[in-house]
Amino acid sequence: AQKVTQAQTEISVVEKEDVTLDCVYETRDTTYYLFWYKQPPSGELVFLIRRNSFDEQNEISGRYSWNFQKSTSSFNFTITASQVVDSAVYFCALSEGTSGSARQLTFGSGTQLTVLP
Amino acid sequence: DSGVTQTPKHLITATGQRVTLRCSPRSGDLSVYWYQQSLDQGLQFLIQYYNGEERAKGNILERFSAQQFPDLHSELNLSSLELGDSALYFCASSVAAGGNLDTQYFGPGTRLTVL
Repeated sequence: AQKVTQAQTEISVVEKEDVTLDCVYETRDTTYYLFWYKQPPSGELVFLIRRNSFDEQNEISGRYSWNFQKSTSSFNFTITASQVVDSAVYFCALSEGTSGSARQLTFGSGTQLTVLP
Repeated sequence: DSGVTQTPKHLITATGQRVTLRCSPRSGDLSVYWYQQSLDQGLQFLIQYYNGEERAKGNILERFSAQQFPDLHSELNLSSLELGDSALYFCASSVAAGGNLDTQYFGPGTRLTVL
C-alpha cells in the first residue's frame, strides 16, 4: 500500500527566511508520481508540481524548489525568501499504477506554514 | 482558477437528509475524481469516473454514490447524512485515466455541514 508522511504538522517562520517542507513516501511500484499542492486559507487546492519516479532532476520555479531523492524516498519542497502570501497548508501526494490504470492520489496529512511579517 | 467548477459552495442540511454535489471538469478532461477532506481523516479519495464509467473506488461509504454524465459533468450523492459527513468535498479532473502526463486539477470544493 502507498503512504505519504509529512512529519511537520506546523512550521512558523519570519518573512524572508528559507523554509523546507519534508515529504517521505512509501510505494511498491517502480513507476509512480509525486505532487505538491497548496491550500491557502480560502480553501482551494492549488497544483504546484508533479515529478515522475524516473526523473530525479531537481526543479526550481522562482522561489520554489523541489528535491527528489529516490534513495531516501523523499520529495522535499523549499521556499526561498518566504513571503506572507506563502502562508498555507501544503500537501504532498503520491499516485501509482501502470500506464492506463486509475491514478488516485494518496495525500500526506499536510504541513501548515505560517509566515510572519 | 483551475477551470474545475463545483456547486454549491456551501451546503447546510440536517441528519438523515440527502444532498447532491455537482462538478464540471476542465474543458477536454475526461476523468473526474471526488475527494473528502475532514479534520480527522484528512484528504481521502472517494471515487473516480472516466468518460462516463466508474474507474476506481476508494473509501466511499455505501450511502454515497456518484455518476458522470454524457457531457462529462459529475454528481456526488450523499444520503442518510450523519454528523460525521460534515467535510469539504473536492472534485478534481484530469485529461485521462492515468498517463505519463496526467495531473489532477481541483475545484474550489463544496463545504457540507450536517446539523
